[in-house]
Order: sequence, then C-alpha cells, then structure tokens
Amino acid sequence: EPEVTQTPSHQVTQMGQEVILRCVPISNHLYFYWYRQILGQKVEFLVSFYNNEISEKSEIFDDQFSVERPDGSNFTLKIRSTKLEDSAMYFCASNLERGQQYGYTFGSGTRLTVV
Amino acid sequence: ILNVEQSPQSLHVQEGDSTNFTCSFPSSNFYALHWYRWETAKSPEALFVMTLNGDEKKKGRISATLNTKEGYSYLYIKGSQPEDSATYLCALNSGGYQKVTFGTGTKLQVIP
Repeated sequence: EPEVTQTPSHQVTQMGQEVILRCVPISNHLYFYWYRQILGQKVEFLVSFYNNEISEKSEIFDDQFSVERPDGSNFTLKIRSTKLEDSAMYFCASNLERGQQYGYTFGSGTRLTVV
Repeated sequence: ILNVEQSPQSLHVQEGDSTNFTCSFPSSNFYALHWYRWETAKSPEALFVMTLNGDEKKKGRISATLNTKEGYSYLYIKGSQPEDSATYLCALNSGGYQKVTFGTGTKLQVIP
C-alpha cells in the first residue's frame, strides 16, 4: 500500500539553527499538509499546499516557517531559526482530493528536539 | 478557534468487551468528520470520513455514527482485541477548507 515517508525520524538541533524536514507524499496525491503535536497537546494544523502554493496556513506558521515542493516529489518544511517551543512531532500528510472522501494519509513523523 | 473534544481521555477494557467513545464538535459550519487510529510509533491511519447527519460507517469490528445537528460522533469497537490498543483521534473539517481540527484523542488499552 502506498505510504507517505518522512525523514529524518528524529532530529536534534541547537536553538537558532535552521532545520529542514522532508516528506515524500503519495505520488498521485494533490494536497499536502504539515501538522505538529507538541508533547501532551493536540495535533495542530500548520499549513496546506496545493498546486505549488500555500492554500491555507495557521497563525503558528509565521515567517520562520516555509514549505517547498522543489522537484514534484519531495515536500519540505523549513524552520529558519528554531526556538525551544518548536520541539514537537511534525507530521506530513497528503490526500487525493479536496472532497475529504478518503481522509489523510499521514507519514510516521519527525520528532524535532530543539536544545 | 474550533473546540473538538473527545471523551474519555483514556480507557482500559478487557479483551472481548465492547466499548465506545465520543467526539464532540461545534455543529455550525460542519463539512466532514474524520476518525483516525494512531498506534504507538506508527502513523495515524484513517478509519472513516463522515459527512452526512445520521451517517453510520463500519470497518470490521469498528463502527461510527454521526449527529451533525447536536455535534457529536460515536466510535464503537465490538469485541475489543489487544491489537485495537491505540489512540483514536477525531478531526473536524469545517467550511470545506482542507485543514482539519483534531480532538484530544482517546487512548484505548485492551487487556488480554
């Protein structure tokens, strides 16, 4: 069964450093997302991406965050200058259509630890 | 900010027991309600997407119902098995945009 893959599974970074989290969505999917879960809190939406541009973003997704789909395959989330409060599990997801018929397919996540 | 709540937060049941849990959400601007199963160290897996009031969906021993007028959905597991142990998340799509708002999750442990 097709799956969404995320790398790395765990990343530790110094505060103020840039990190790039990578995702390979399912090849025929059209909509791409990043969500995150801070330990002990709800899974929260960061950004959605369609047709090579951001279609929606949350208030969390400020100027420190950016997303790219550089080669039609990878979908990346960049955090320019990490803060301690960026420590979380980051999930990439994709789906085929806007109609929400099938739900999302999630990757297994990248645990980001900012020290 | 949408308030999607799930209860109970956690649940222990004996193997073979049936169980159910609740997802509550604001009934205005409803578009779809998702249920996911999230096993430890794995990715959340979509169980159901429900869109119509009165919807009932079933997948093996797991089923779900939806009441959009009063803003709740129930997830039922019949004859729980140890492999059902997971966190069950509901997520609300409102207004037809792509993002969903997740609930707090119900952590189920099935004791053999």
